[in-house]
Amino acid sequence: LAKTTQPISMDSYEGQEVNITCSHNNIATNDYITWYQQFPSQGPRFIIQGYKTKVTNEVASLFIPADRKSSTLSLPRVSLSDTAVYYCLVGGANTGGFKTIFGAGTRLFVKA
Amino acid sequence: GAVVSQHPSRVICKSGTSVKIECRSLDFQATTMFWYRQFPKQSLMLMATSNEGSKATYEQGVEKDKFLINHASLTLSTLTVTSAHPEDSSFYICSARRGSSPNTGELFFGEGSRLTVL
Repeated sequence: LAKTTQPISMDSYEGQEVNITCSHNNIATNDYITWYQQFPSQGPRFIIQGYKTKVTNEVASLFIPADRKSSTLSLPRVSLSDTAVYYCLVGGANTGGFKTIFGAGTRLFVKA
Repeated sequence: GAVVSQHPSRVICKSGTSVKIECRSLDFQATTMFWYRQFPKQSLMLMATSNEGSKATYEQGVEKDKFLINHASLTLSTLTVTSAHPEDSSFYICSARRGSSPNTGELFFGEGSRLTVL
């Protein structure tokens, strides 16, 4: 499974756009990139998933360059409630199914 | 949307007792569920993969005789912490994948169960 590297923490202010980059240099051809958000004492919540180029949904955008060795989660106009830990995961099919291994994650702190 | 529910959300037990945590997929069938453990300020650590109708697959370093996993139906997996000790106190989280594709099927996580062993 591809290992991921993210910044340990980031600070931002309300209303700003936040970009969190994840490195996954040994991503495999059939691997997808998925981002999750976790609040304290809660299970992670799916944010967005992509394979290449750009994916956008109602809460975020995901940018993936052509070599797919990194990806950037973009959160537009963050609010205080976006303070959470964000995990980048990379994985694909294996004999056990999509085994989800979490890296350290990025702790985002949004200030007023 | 799909919901995965865990029960209980909090449990306190005495050292040496066993505790069972349930994970249910409420509106979809899940042939595979995953169990994680998370200590304060740390990431989720995958403990095991629970497969409906067969034995669970444990990650290296996880004692299968201590953390018993049963996946008896397509909507229920249980984790039993046997002979619990204070060091087993942690936040336990399950997840289930909706959809047949192991690559893109979305994972849904339970709310987590906080175990405190006295």
